[in-house]
Amino acid sequence: KQEVTQIPAALSVPEGENLVLNCSFTDSAIYNLQWFRQDPGKGLTSLLLIQSSQREQTSGRLNASLDKSSGRSTLYIAASQPGDSATYLCACRRDNAGNMLTFGGGTRLMVKP
Amino acid sequence: GAGVSQSPRYKVAKRGQDVALRCDPISGHVSLFWYQQALGQGPEFLTYFQNEAQLDKSGLPSDRFFAERPEGSVSTLKIQRTQQEDSAVYLCASTVGMGGINSNQPQHFGDGTRLSIL
Repeated sequence: KQEVTQIPAALSVPEGENLVLNCSFTDSAIYNLQWFRQDPGKGLTSLLLIQSSQREQTSGRLNASLDKSSGRSTLYIAASQPGDSATYLCACRRDNAGNMLTFGGGTRLMVKP
Repeated sequence: GAGVSQSPRYKVAKRGQDVALRCDPISGHVSLFWYQQALGQGPEFLTYFQNEAQLDKSGLPSDRFFAERPEGSVSTLKIQRTQQEDSAVYLCASTVGMGGINSNQPQHFGDGTRLSIL
């Protein structure tokens, strides 16, 4: 059974700092990996999706990497802003036939002005 | 609508009551998913529909949980004889379809229904 772990569980940084969020998974047979953002009381917003054949994806100040062999993904946020404060979740899709996502517990990020 | 819509946003029920949670997926989206999110944790998969067919219900925690999508669009998650451990946020997600070029399309989530069982 796939297990997804996110470290740290919570992170507080001053505005402007570059930061890295970590995600690890136990089963490397994934189809893709997705990073989401969740604001309090809200659903999940998809940030980046990395296919199993890819090593990274970029969107604006966000960069996500994937290393299937080591079971790891990282989300890099450059020049953090208070508006980046949210919970960040990573999720693995098992394979092309496996439709569900397996989520990590999330990292709660606070960016202080 | 433009996004996935869930109702009600909040539901409070007494232990033992039945509840029904509704999800309106993005128009035209073939696949629909239900997840349960406990406080401070990531979502956990409950069940998956492709059109009206329930293809995977392996995540439903007990036979008190039942989901349907009779016409392949709106879905309802029903919980019978609710218990306190059912308190959670229930999230619905949809995606265009599965297989082929759609296999790497992201899932789009609604804002969820926060269920509190007293």
